[in-house]
Amino acid sequence: EAGVVQSPRYKIIEKKQPVAFWCNPISGHNTLYWYRQNLGQGPELLIRYENEEAVDDSQLPKDRFSAERLKGVDSTLKIQPAELGDSAVYLCASSRITGPETQYFGPGTRLLVL
Amino acid sequence: SQQGEEDPQALSIQEGENATMNCSYKTSINNLQWYRQNSGRGLVHLILIRSNEREKHSGRLRVTLDTSKKSSSLLITASRAADTASYFCATDMGSGSRLTFGEGTQLTVNP
Repeated sequence: EAGVVQSPRYKIIEKKQPVAFWCNPISGHNTLYWYRQNLGQGPELLIRYENEEAVDDSQLPKDRFSAERLKGVDSTLKIQPAELGDSAVYLCASSRITGPETQYFGPGTRLLVL
Repeated sequence: SQQGEEDPQALSIQEGENATMNCSYKTSINNLQWYRQNSGRGLVHLILIRSNEREKHSGRLRVTLDTSKKSSSLLITASRAADTASYFCATDMGSGSRLTFGEGTQLTVNP
C-alpha cells in the first residue's frame, strides 16, 4: 500500500511570494489533515477535511493560507504571500475516519522563506 | 497551542539500555498516542492507549497512562541505534476532536 505522498519535499522562496504544497492521501482514507511543524516542536493542526468538507480550520491563518480538497482525494495548501515566520515543515496526514484512529503521515514539505 | 509536554526534552543512552519518556497533558482526554519521527521524515504511529486503559505493550514498547496525574510514559526496552528519533505524545478528546501533539523528546541511542 502506498503511503501519503507530498510534493515538493523542499521549497525555498522569497518573502511575499506564493507557494503551494500538494498531498495525495492513502487510497480510501476519507480524512485528510494538514499540519505545520516548527523546528523543535510537535505538529500543529492547520486544517482537517472529511471527504471534501473542511471540518476544522480554526487554526488556519485565513488571511494568507488557503486549502482545498477537490473530489475528496488530493489536497493543496497555499500560502500567499509567504512571510518569514512561515518557514516550517508542512505535514499532510490521512486516516480512514476521524476519531481515535491512527494517522498516517507523509514525509512533509520543508519550506524556507528568505 | 501544545497540549502535552514531554520530559526529558533530550535523552542520550547506550544501545541495550532502556529509554523512558514522559508526557503530561492539561485537559481530560479520550485517547493518547505515541508517534516517532526520524530526522527529516514524517511521523509514524507507535501505539494508542485509551483513557480507560492503564498499560499497553507492543513489542519492545510499553506505555502507561495515569489519568489522575494526566501523564503517560513510553518505555523502550533493549534500545537499538535505529530507535534514534524524536518521540511525540498526542492526545484527543473524543471522536471529531483534533489530535494535539506535545513538543517531543529527542532520543539518541549510541552504538
